Amino acid sequence: AQSVTQLDSQVPVFEEAPVELRCNYSSSVSVYLFWYVQYPNQGLQLLLKYLSGSTLVESINGFEAEFNKSQTSFHLRKPSVHISDTAEYFCAVKAGGGSNYKLTFGKGTLLTVNP
Amino acid sequence: GAGVSQSPRYKVAKRGQDVALRCDPISGHVSLFWYQQALGQGPEFLTYFQNEAQLDKSGLPSDRFFAERPEGSVSTLKIQRTQQEDSAVYLCASSLVQGQRDTQYFGPGTRLTVL
Repeated sequence: AQSVTQLDSQVPVFEEAPVELRCNYSSSVSVYLFWYVQYPNQGLQLLLKYLSGSTLVESINGFEAEFNKSQTSFHLRKPSVHISDTAEYFCAVKAGGGSNYKLTFGKGTLLTVNP
Repeated sequence: GAGVSQSPRYKVAKRGQDVALRCDPISGHVSLFWYQQALGQGPEFLTYFQNEAQLDKSGLPSDRFFAERPEGSVSTLKIQRTQQEDSAVYLCASSLVQGQRDTQYFGPGTRLTVL
């Protein structure tokens, strides 16, 4: 079975500072990796995903994540955050095999951007 | 609307009451998922439908939980004889097809509080 660990439950940063939200996974089979964002009182929205190909994936609002197979990591980064990036971020994995439709989520990281 | 919708958004139940939570997936989406998100946790898989067929119900916590999707579109998650540990946000997601690469789109969730 696969699992996802988000090492930080809360990350406070100042506006325009860089940020990294860490995510590690464990799986014995091939994986697809996702980052979802949840703004207050809203549903989960897909931020970016790694399926195959380039290990560096980017979102339209400046976030990027790099799949590192040897480190079993998929950390999320942004070089300069905005107040509007304040939200909870969830890392998730889908593993190969019979249950490849299931998303397994981490516990989430609350990113708070302060002025 | 174009997204997944869920109703009600908030539900308060007395312990022992039955509740029914509704999910309207994106039109034409074959796959439908239910997840449970306890306070401070990431979403956890409950059950999966492909059209009207419930292919996986391994995540349902007890036989008090029941889900259906009789016509392959709208789905209902029913919880009988609610207990305090059922308090959580129940998330519905849909995807166009079934597969490891497919993106799941989430609704805003129903927050259930059992008193």
